[in-house]
Amino acid sequence: SAVISQKPSRDICQRGTSLTIQCQVDSQVTMMFWYRQQPGQSLTLIATANQGSEATYESGFVIDKFPISRPNLTFSTLTVSNMSPEDSSIYLCSVAGLAGQGIEAEAFFGQGTRLTVV
Amino acid sequence: KQEVTQIPAALSVPEGENLVLNCSFTDSAIYNLQWFRQDPGKGLTSLLLIQSSQREQTSGRLNASLDKSSGRSTLYIAASQPGDSATYLCALKAAGNKLTFGGGTRVLVKP
Repeated sequence: SAVISQKPSRDICQRGTSLTIQCQVDSQVTMMFWYRQQPGQSLTLIATANQGSEATYESGFVIDKFPISRPNLTFSTLTVSNMSPEDSSIYLCSVAGLAGQGIEAEAFFGQGTRLTVV
Repeated sequence: KQEVTQIPAALSVPEGENLVLNCSFTDSAIYNLQWFRQDPGKGLTSLLLIQSSQREQTSGRLNASLDKSSGRSTLYIAASQPGDSATYLCALKAAGNKLTFGGGTRVLVKP
């Protein structure tokens, strides 16, 4: 399995500001993803973080609002920009494809970042 | 579009009883199915992974089955304990490496 360190674990932010969340994995992984979990809801995929190129966003999510970086095979960041109270959620980093595994790879999640926007 | 449903949404049982959690899906073209546990305000812990070609997986008190023809998976937890109280999520992986999650079943095991 993979050990995923996600920072910060929680934060309270003012509306209109931005927050960058970091995801560090203890081994190289093929795939990294960012999910959002709104209060009382299940998880929704925001985007796939691609190493060395622009992230692939799901319908309803845009790069200007959720810029993502992935400079290497073990690290990614998600920024929540120009925040509003509606952005209050848990944001989760997920990885799959340890040691070059393919589509059958098990997915692992970080502990999440609990964001409250006031 | 894949739709994943988990019923019931919440479940309360006395300690020692077996738990049966259901997950149904609409598109059988999947690569695998994964069951997760989530404690309040926390991330997800992977419990079991079933590949598309498999019918079941077991780990300790946990057993998960997969029936693609009927679009169903069931997670069994034997001899439940208060520490099993959490939300359980199933997720399916299909084309594009994307996971589609069910809404979860919130479990309370009473001492």
